[in-house]
Amino acid sequence: DAKTTQPTSMDCAEGRAANLPCNHSTISGNEYVYWYRQIHSQGPQYIIHGLKNNETNEMASLIITEDRKSSTLILPHATLRDTAVYYCIVRVANRDDKIIFGKGTRLHILP
Amino acid sequence: GAGVSQSPRYKVAKRGQDVALRCDPISGHVSLFWYQQALGQGPEFLTYFQNEAQLDKSGLPSDRFFAERPEGSVSTLKIQRTQQEDSAVYLCASSLAGQSYEQYFGPGTRLTVT
Repeated sequence: DAKTTQPTSMDCAEGRAANLPCNHSTISGNEYVYWYRQIHSQGPQYIIHGLKNNETNEMASLIITEDRKSSTLILPHATLRDTAVYYCIVRVANRDDKIIFGKGTRLHILP
Repeated sequence: GAGVSQSPRYKVAKRGQDVALRCDPISGHVSLFWYQQALGQGPEFLTYFQNEAQLDKSGLPSDRFFAERPEGSVSTLKIQRTQQEDSAVYLCASSLAGQSYEQYFGPGTRLTVT
């Protein structure tokens, strides 16, 4: 079973920041928080991952709480192309291992 | 560069037919994963190869499912005597391993069993 809890769906206005929450209260010390997204009719795409410090790349920012029991993925200026299912996953990094996906959050960007 | 490709993109099979789904990983990628994604669900792991060795097949739902990667590159997922519950999108992912464990996914094959 997935070790994360996410809302089923969210809406966000185009141009605004999309903040996607994720709970992972049973995360282990050596597990990272990963985010993937899946646009309709495509395979999942890696977005970002982090251990305990906040991370930022060209796609998004990841904010992890100090106790590491929850995190938020931030898309700073959402566009219509960001409409997708977003998956929050906890897994050990640097290991060749299967990914356990949950159901994710279906994000709708509204024009 | 070229990503992971899968063929066919869509497949319709009558119940009881055998199907073969192909995955071409990124060149040089050591590891290859197959996932099954039912409608409205997240992908679920089926099996994993490192080069030509199938190291984990714990996710294969029945002995009707068989996967191979004989030369450590292209992989084929075969489903024998298809059933309606086999209808799903079958995703393939590859990773470099050793240097980067990031998995790159193909677009999937949508299988519909009628």
